[in-house]
Amino acid sequence: AQSVTQLGSHVSVSEGALVLLRCNYSSSVPPYLFWYVQYPNQGLQLLLKYTTGATLVKGINGFEAEFKKSETSFHLTKPSAHMSDAAEYFCAVRKTSYDKVIFGPGTSLSVIP
Amino acid sequence: DVKVTQSSRYLVKRTGEKVFLECVQDMDHENMFWYRQDPGLGLRLIYFSYDVKMKEKGDIPEGYSVSREKKERFSLILESASTNQTSMYLCASSPPGAGGFYEQYFGPGTRLTVT
Repeated sequence: AQSVTQLGSHVSVSEGALVLLRCNYSSSVPPYLFWYVQYPNQGLQLLLKYTTGATLVKGINGFEAEFKKSETSFHLTKPSAHMSDAAEYFCAVRKTSYDKVIFGPGTSLSVIP
Repeated sequence: DVKVTQSSRYLVKRTGEKVFLECVQDMDHENMFWYRQDPGLGLRLIYFSYDVKMKEKGDIPEGYSVSREKKERFSLILESASTNQTSMYLCASSPPGAGGFYEQYFGPGTRLTVT
């Protein structure tokens, strides 16, 4: 069965520092990969997605993620954290275009002024 | 912009009550989903529907049922609420086709407390 792990249920960074949120998946074939963000008291919003093609994917709000097949990883990064980035981040995977999306447990990001 | 609305943001119900959670989307999407969100567990799929009057069980359907009488509306029903159903419930919708399952648009969620 597909699974998604996110290292660190809670990550704290200083404002202006690099944001790195880790995501690893288990899949025998290259899957579709996603990052969603959930701001307080809101639903989830798609940040970025990888389907095919370029392995470095750029998303909204300055975030990007790189698909590394050899490491089965899809880590999310942002060069400089902003206070408004404080939120819950979910990595998700989908094996084929007809499969369900499997969500990771989430990582809560705090940004310290 | 796609808009997915949920009938209540917060709901408190008693054990044994029948509970209805309503979800409406305004983008004519074929696919609709109900998820449950619990700390440390991420989102778990309860039910989904890919057309009016169609429904499919997700990963945790026990204790829940759904109804989709109109394309824009997808209801989650707790026939007899229990305390272990206290959770955040998220509704989502997506357009049809092979890509439909991944571009999901979420509502703000309903935080249900069963006492």
